[in-house]
Amino acid sequence: QEKVQQSPESLIVPEGAMVSLNCSFSDSASQSIWWYQQHPGKGPKALISIFSNGNKKEGRLTVYLNRASLHVSLHIKDSQPSDSAVYLCAVSINYGNEKITFGAGTKLTIKP
Amino acid sequence: EAAVTQSPRSKVAVTGGKVTLSCHQTNNHDYMYWYRQDTGHGLRLIHYSYVADSTEKGDIPDGYKASRPSQENFSLILELASLSQTAVYFCASSDLNQDTQYFGPGTRLLVL
Repeated sequence: QEKVQQSPESLIVPEGAMVSLNCSFSDSASQSIWWYQQHPGKGPKALISIFSNGNKKEGRLTVYLNRASLHVSLHIKDSQPSDSAVYLCAVSINYGNEKITFGAGTKLTIKP
Repeated sequence: EAAVTQSPRSKVAVTGGKVTLSCHQTNNHDYMYWYRQDTGHGLRLIHYSYVADSTEKGDIPDGYKASRPSQENFSLILELASLSQTAVYFCASSDLNQDTQYFGPGTRLLVL
């Protein structure tokens, strides 16, 4: 069973700061990794995904995947108060039947 | 944008009672999912379906049934609700398995 661990559990940063969120997974056979954003009282919304080793940039978001260390990180540049939310890491793996496992999330607060 | 709706948005149920949560998607997606979210546990997959009239067990199916009468509709049924099933339930849809998932707004269930 895939295990997905996120750190830190919560993070408070000032507006404009760079934010770094971490996600570790347990199975090297994992395929794609997604980051979802969840605002209070809402459903998660997909932000960015990555499959290949290396990095991927979309707007203020950059994600880094290192399959050798089973680690993926999400970086948010020039953080805004509207970025305050819970960020969920989701890892897919194929055990014959495809499965996606979510981490418990990191609660991010951006202070104006 | 892809649309997933859930009803009811919140519900109070009695222990031992039957509860039905409904989900409707207008995305023309084949895959639909039911998750529960508890503090500290992230999202856990209960049941999913990739075609009408067929459902599959997820990671925590015990105490839950699912029904997919059409491509657009997916229901989660708690035949005998228990206190431990108090949680927020999310429905999601995706075009392909392991593809980006689109979530509904959630149903907050309180079992007393």
